[in-house]
Amino acid sequence: GAGVSQSPSNKVTEKGKDVELRCDPISGHTALYWYRQRLGQGLEFLIYFQGNSAPDKSGLPSDRFSAERTGESVSTLTIQRTQQEDSAVYLCASSLEGGGGNTIYFGEGSWLTVV
Amino acid sequence: GQSLEQPSEVTAVEGAIVQINCTYQTSGFYGLSWYQQHDGGAPTFLSYNALDGLEETGRFSSFLSRSDSYGYLLLQELQMKDSASYFCALSGGSYIPTFGRGTSLIVHP
Repeated sequence: GAGVSQSPSNKVTEKGKDVELRCDPISGHTALYWYRQRLGQGLEFLIYFQGNSAPDKSGLPSDRFSAERTGESVSTLTIQRTQQEDSAVYLCASSLEGGGGNTIYFGEGSWLTVV
Repeated sequence: GQSLEQPSEVTAVEGAIVQINCTYQTSGFYGLSWYQQHDGGAPTFLSYNALDGLEETGRFSSFLSRSDSYGYLLLQELQMKDSASYFCALSGGSYIPTFGRGTSLIVHP
């Protein structure tokens, strides 16, 4: 596609439910990133994929969070047993390659509200 | 590890020039990027500096001094639409860009 596409754009879920957030990166981009942004805050790194592999999962805040990428394309971020502190915008980004110097392009984000 | 510091808020008037500073700490360095984010929108890329000096892109310029671990974004001829958050991002010793907490720029008429 022309840009990074994320779905759903908005999600309201009850505490304790599981949610799945999807990201379609720019076609041909091998690197994919997930960030979390709480209201009025900076971007918090969650996980990085190079191809289908995740060499860096260091940002995942707990074992309730997991992510996968298939076909060197679509990625899914799953949050199990959601908590209110999970409420945030989840931003996906992609770049042509991983590594310094590569511009990363963001999607519009998935706004998650846990009630 | 890596860390970045930037002011939380800057205000200026339309037509003015404003500078947003960013200092960083890192064990390795590839470059410093700047992103703009309007309320409710996605961060969008503005500029990238890998070498010392000034990079100019229209009304926006970005400067880097690697010896001082310092950079800034310069916005000229400010317009109301420039009101947004601006993030510096460090490509350091890892493949993961690390973002600062962002600077909220408020442009007044």
